[in-house]
Formats: sequence, structure tokens, C-alpha cells
Amino acid sequence: KQEVTQIPAALSVPEGENLVLNCSFTDSAIYNLQWFRQDPGKGLTSLLLIQSSQREQTSGRLNASLDKSSGRSTLYIAASQPGDSATYLCAVGGLTGTASKLTFGTGTRLQVTL
Amino acid sequence: GAGVSQSPSNKVTEKGKDVELRCDPISGHTALYWYRQSLGQGLEFLIYFQGNSAPDKSGLPSDRFSAERTGGSVSTLTIQRTQQEDSAVYLCASSPQGALAGELFFGEGSRLTVL
Repeated sequence: KQEVTQIPAALSVPEGENLVLNCSFTDSAIYNLQWFRQDPGKGLTSLLLIQSSQREQTSGRLNASLDKSSGRSTLYIAASQPGDSATYLCAVGGLTGTASKLTFGTGTRLQVTL
Repeated sequence: GAGVSQSPSNKVTEKGKDVELRCDPISGHTALYWYRQSLGQGLEFLIYFQGNSAPDKSGLPSDRFSAERTGGSVSTLTIQRTQQEDSAVYLCASSPQGALAGELFFGEGSRLTVL
């Protein structure tokens, strides 16, 4: 059974700092990995999707990497802004068994302070 | 609309009542998912539709939960004889294909409170 862990559970940084959020998964037989952002009381917004054959994806100030063999992904946020404050969720798409659904981590709650 | 639409956004009900939650996926998306997010918990998979069929309903917590999808579009999640532990945010997502190929796009959820 796939298990997804996100560390740290919560993080507070001053505006302008670069930061890294971590995601690890127990079964490396994945099809893809997706990073989401969730604002309080809202749904999830897709940030980046990495296919298993890819090593990283970039969108603006965000960069996500994937090391499938070690079961790890990182989300790098450059020059953080208060508007980046949200919960960030990592989700893994499996190849077998869980192939039809994503397995989510419990998220990292990020606060960027002025 | 352009995104996934869910209704109602908030529902308060009494224990023992039935509730229906609705999801309108993005037009043309063949895959539809229901997830549940309880306070302080991660997202819990409930059911997955490809077209009108549900190849994976392994996450439905009990036989009080059922879901259907019609016309390859709108889906309804029904909870019968609601219990307090059913209180959660129910999130719907759609994808152009199955999870093997595409991104998931989520609605804003239906917050269910069972008194």
C-alpha cells in the first residue's frame, strides 16, 4: 500500500526566502506525481505534474523534482511571498493497484511573513 | 463553466438524514473522482468514474455511501442515514483521462456537517 509523507508539517519563513518542501513515498512504482496548493476553505489547485519519466518541472518561481528510485520529491519555492501562504499537498499516481487514483500526503502548511 | 463545480458548498443536516452532493466536472473530462477531507486529515479516496462506470469504488467507507454518474458528466454522491463521523469536506475532481495520464482538477468542495 502506497504511503505518502510530507515533511515538515508546518513551516514559517520571512518573505523573500527560498524554501524546500519534501515529499516521500514508499512504493516507487508510480506513474506520476502532482503538487497541489490548498487555501483555507478552498479546493485544491494543481501546481505541477511530473511524469515518472521526468526529473523535474518548473513553473514560474516553483520547481518540483522527482527521484523515483529513492521515493522522493521536492517542491522548491523561490523568493517566497505572503501570497504563497497555503497548504501544499503532494499526491502520487500509482501503476498497479492504485493506478486509478492519487494517494495524498497530509500536506505542509506554509506561512510567509512580512 | 470553466472549472469543476460542486453543490451545495455547505450542508448542515441532522443525524440519520440522507444527503446528496453534486459534482459538475469540466466539460469533456472522462474521469471523475470523489475524495473526502476530514478535519486535520489528508485526502481520502472514495470512488473513481471513467465515463459512467466506476472501476474503483474501494474507498467508499460503508454501504451508506453510493455514487453515480450520468451522461459521462454530472455525478452525485449520496450518503444515507448520515452519522456525525461523515462530517467532512467532500471534494470532486475531474481529469481529461484517467489518473495514469492527466492532471486532476478539483472543485471547491461541499462541506458537510452532521449534527
